[in-house]
Amino acid sequence: DAGVTQSPTHLIKTRGQQVTLRCSPKSGHDTVSWYQQALGQGPQFIFQYYEEEERQRGNFPDRFSGHQFPNYSSELNVNALLLGDSALYLCASSLAGFRDQPQHFGDGTRLSIL
Amino acid sequence: AQKVTQAQTEISVVEKEDVTLDCVYETRDTTYYLFWYKQPPSGELVFLIRRNSFDEQNEISGRYSWNFQKSTSSFNFTITASQVVDSAVYFCALSEAGYGGATNKLIFGTGTLLAVQP
Repeated sequence: DAGVTQSPTHLIKTRGQQVTLRCSPKSGHDTVSWYQQALGQGPQFIFQYYEEEERQRGNFPDRFSGHQFPNYSSELNVNALLLGDSALYLCASSLAGFRDQPQHFGDGTRLSIL
Repeated sequence: AQKVTQAQTEISVVEKEDVTLDCVYETRDTTYYLFWYKQPPSGELVFLIRRNSFDEQNEISGRYSWNFQKSTSSFNFTITASQVVDSAVYFCALSEAGYGGATNKLIFGTGTLLAVQP
């Protein structure tokens, strides 16, 4: 049973660049949520994708955008990178309609901005 | 406002000691869900337990137990006879029903770093 997989594992970028992170949900899941975890902090919700549409969004600027594909996998794009975007980006998957069920997380992508 | 507070930033214990991690939450919803996740150094968040707001039964799973008290808005986590492998960051999280979206977003506390010394 494949869990949530994320790529790449690590990434180093410079200010102003753009980055794309990828996520494949756990088998049987159709909803993907993205979280940003700064060092020493708890994860912060970025947005959620279901049926290839953004369904919920946290308090993040438009530089953060995403996409969901027909196979339920998802991408997170960040434009005009800032030093403050350095963080662990976590992808979580779940099954729509089951609000009390836990979200399953991947290992994350560690993004460093120089 | 929705909020989760984990006042303990770091806890250090010696192996075999019992340890309790505190979690206090704020929500205006009557239906909500509480979770505990464990984050080892690898980064992955590992699900430990879920509690519904209408089920205040405490739960025990091996060395782990959870105490849910709506009267004090707390959902505390106790590890009995701690082991070195328990060393990790532990997060308490809240999600609310009744919002749009296929699944409700999780609101996390800032986490408690537990260090179990041999």
